[in-house]
Amino acid sequence: GAVVSQHPSRVICKSGTSVKIECRSLDFQATTMFWYRQFPKQSLMLMATSNEGSKATYEQGVEKDKFLINHASLTLSTLTVTSAHPEDSSFYICSAKDRATEAFFGQGTRLTVV
Amino acid sequence: KQEVTQIPAALSVPEGENLVLNCSFTDSAIYNLQWFRQDPGKGLTSLLLIQSSQREQTSGRLNASLDKSSGRSTLYIAASQPGDSATYLCAVLSGGGQFYFGTGTSLTVIP
Repeated sequence: GAVVSQHPSRVICKSGTSVKIECRSLDFQATTMFWYRQFPKQSLMLMATSNEGSKATYEQGVEKDKFLINHASLTLSTLTVTSAHPEDSSFYICSAKDRATEAFFGQGTRLTVV
Repeated sequence: KQEVTQIPAALSVPEGENLVLNCSFTDSAIYNLQWFRQDPGKGLTSLLLIQSSQREQTSGRLNASLDKSSGRSTLYIAASQPGDSATYLCAVLSGGGQFYFGTGTSLTVIP
């Protein structure tokens, strides 16, 4: 299957700082990328959907000014957690799809805000 | 909106037992269904993928079935081992490319 690379796999940051997570499709053009998060002992929930060159669509309850998503190219989407707080500590994972329906996951990023 | 439910939420079995994990979904218009394994603090490991036109997939000791019309899937694990202890997630892929995840089953295999 296609490869989606997510970086970093783990990050620890201080409260109030911003953290950027990258999601790259290595061998296909990702017209759409999805960002999910998983709080402890809960399942993964969709945060937002981004189409290349367009503004991301956020799910209800997700603050678009706090979780900035940029999908400027067909192979890269970034999620920036701005002014991170301990309650933002979570597991974030992206998935990417091309014009077909198949979608593939990145490895995920474990964010810890201290 | 698609809703995915997994039963049981937690399961503890002695080593060597065969076991079945259940997944149900409300909208049968899916592209595929995947079973994932997640170890504590780690990412997702894809175990089996069943296309919407398929009824089952097998990999080693794992067998997953799909009954799209009834909105059900099962993951069968044969001869369980302590290394199988993890959380198992099922996820359905919609036509729009979005995954809907189940709530997960936490499996503990006791040596």
